[in-house]
Order: sequence, then structure tokens, then C-alpha cells
Amino acid sequence: QKEVEQNSGPLSVPEGAIASLNCTYSDRGSQSFFWYRQYSGKSPELIMSIYSNGDKEDGRFTAQLNKASQYVSLLIRDSQPSDSATYLCAVPRGSNYKLTFGKGTLLTVNP
Amino acid sequence: EAQVTQNPRYLITVTGKKLTVTCSQNMNHEYMSWYRQDPGLGLRQIYYSMNVEVTDKGDVPEGYKVSRKEKRNFPLILESPSPNQTSLYFCASSWGAEDTQYFGPGTRLTVL
Repeated sequence: QKEVEQNSGPLSVPEGAIASLNCTYSDRGSQSFFWYRQYSGKSPELIMSIYSNGDKEDGRFTAQLNKASQYVSLLIRDSQPSDSATYLCAVPRGSNYKLTFGKGTLLTVNP
Repeated sequence: EAQVTQNPRYLITVTGKKLTVTCSQNMNHEYMSWYRQDPGLGLRQIYYSMNVEVTDKGDVPEGYKVSRKEKRNFPLILESPSPNQTSLYFCASSWGAEDTQYFGPGTRLTVL
């Protein structure tokens, strides 16, 4: 299993729908998980971080973490065309402070 | 304004000509890192630094060097660039690996 894997996409949803982005990770010792958004030609920016099992909500965004299944997801409710971007899952690994990103999922929200 | 700056933003060079990409942050962050981003391969960590004079290899360190002599600066050195180092490079800083990464604007490097 690759260290951080995301559903490869691309993912296309209509405006107003729920977009679901998924990420699995291999290091059971990982304690923190991040979702970044990257617009084309721009640098990544943080959307959500999550540290505990369960859901964390911030506006239209909900991060879900299941450490037993080594799975973290990002739900975007009421998707807007401005949400069209690549979403990157990031997981710090082990005790050596390396940070691994997934390859990203390209989301397109169609008006 | 809190920010991470990189220079140059764009660079075209030739194989074997040493180059340095500078990175500077004004947030007093301890953790800094360099990434390269390639189509289909995503964002991969090259080197990271947990503090001044402390650096370590990321996942793709071959062909790169770094130094951390001051807290705010973390230059990336390509001593003998090759075409396979053509990529988009990002510098980032944070309080630690488990904290929010703040990215610079990116440097697009082409090695001919």
C-alpha cells in the first residue's frame, strides 16, 4: 500500500451537490491529517486539519477520520464552481517528521 | 504580512549549471521544507529542516542540497541540474510537521 492514497479522480459534480474526497494512509502511528486545496497555478492552502476520530465541520466542509480503518475523507456540501481545484491529503509520518502528500484529486463543480 | 517568499519564480537553465532557489519566511517558524510537484506524481518532499542546522532527507533528495544557517532562510541548491529536475518547486514553513504548512508561491524550473 502506498503511504498516502487518494481517489484519483477527476471528480465532477453539479453545483449544489455534495463532493466526497477520500484518502487512505499506511502509517498507523500518524496522529494528524490535513486537507489542502490547490487552484491551478497556485500554491496549496489549508482547508481542514483533523486529529481525532469522528467528524469535524467548518462551514460547508466536513473532515471525517477513522484511524482504525486508516481513512480520512473530506465532504464539501453545496458545492460551488469556486470549489473547483485539486484537493491534497497530507499525513505526517512516524517520528522522523516527514510529511507525505497524496497525489491529489481534481474536483470540477459544474454550474 | 506573514508570508513565505521564493526567488526566482521562474528559471530556465542548462544542464550542469549550479543554481540556488531561495526561500524565506517571516513567521519565526521552526519547520521548513522543500517540495517538488510533477504531473501524475503529486507533491513530494525533497528535504526538511526542524530547526537551524538540523536538516533531513525527504522522499526525493537525490540531486539536491539544502542548508539552514538562519531560522528564516532555507535555500535549495542544485549543484549540477539535470533535465529530470524540471519541475514546480514549493517551499513551505510551519511550527512543526504536524502543523499547518504555509507555502511559498512556487518556482517553475526548466533544465534544458
